Amino acid sequence: AQKITQTQPGMFVQEKEAVTLDCTYDTSDPSYGLFWYKQPSSGEMIFLIYQGSYDQQNATEGRYSLNFQKARKSANLVISASQLGDSAMYFCAMREGQMDSSYKLIFGSGTRLLVRP
Amino acid sequence: DTGVSQDPRHKITKRGQNVTFRCDPISEHNRLYWYRQTLGQGPEFLTYFQNEAQLEKSRLLSDRFSAERPKGSFSTLEIQRTEQGDSAMYLCASTAGGSADTQYFGPGTRLTVL
Repeated sequence: AQKITQTQPGMFVQEKEAVTLDCTYDTSDPSYGLFWYKQPSSGEMIFLIYQGSYDQQNATEGRYSLNFQKARKSANLVISASQLGDSAMYFCAMREGQMDSSYKLIFGSGTRLLVRP
Repeated sequence: DTGVSQDPRHKITKRGQNVTFRCDPISEHNRLYWYRQTLGQGPEFLTYFQNEAQLEKSRLLSDRFSAERPKGSFSTLEIQRTEQGDSAMYLCASTAGGSADTQYFGPGTRLTVL
């Protein structure tokens, strides 16, 4: 069964430093996608970055990069040069890619990141 | 291009009342999803539409819940005879479709059942 595990309920990071948020996944589907979303206290889920299972290179989007280790089934989010506005909940999510599927997202339980000034 | 919008943002109701939420997806997005998020958890899938057809429903969607997407545009989620356990954030997301497409979320409707 599909499953996403985020083992860090909470993390602290000093402003301007880098931080890694862990995510492991479990799936038997060879085709899948991995996502990271940010959820500030306002509640909206903000898309950050996507990694496809067949992508050869790790995804990057500005200060966000995804450390994709397929054999270990991990997809850790790295935020470089943390800013105070990065304080939020972060969710890892997976979508299996079978044809004619709904492509619904399965989410982990999230990591709360607090950036210290 | 406006994002996904949801209405209302907050709803407080008494147990046993019916409530209806609305979601307006990004224009031309043919796939629409509803998720439910309880405190301290990640969102959980409720149901999915492709255009006007409801193609998948989660076991979380009891018979008190009904969702529609007439004409394949906006969608509504109705909860009948609300229970305190229905208190949650209800999130709507849309995408143009395809396995690599990102789901974009609305701001959510926070439901409190007293």
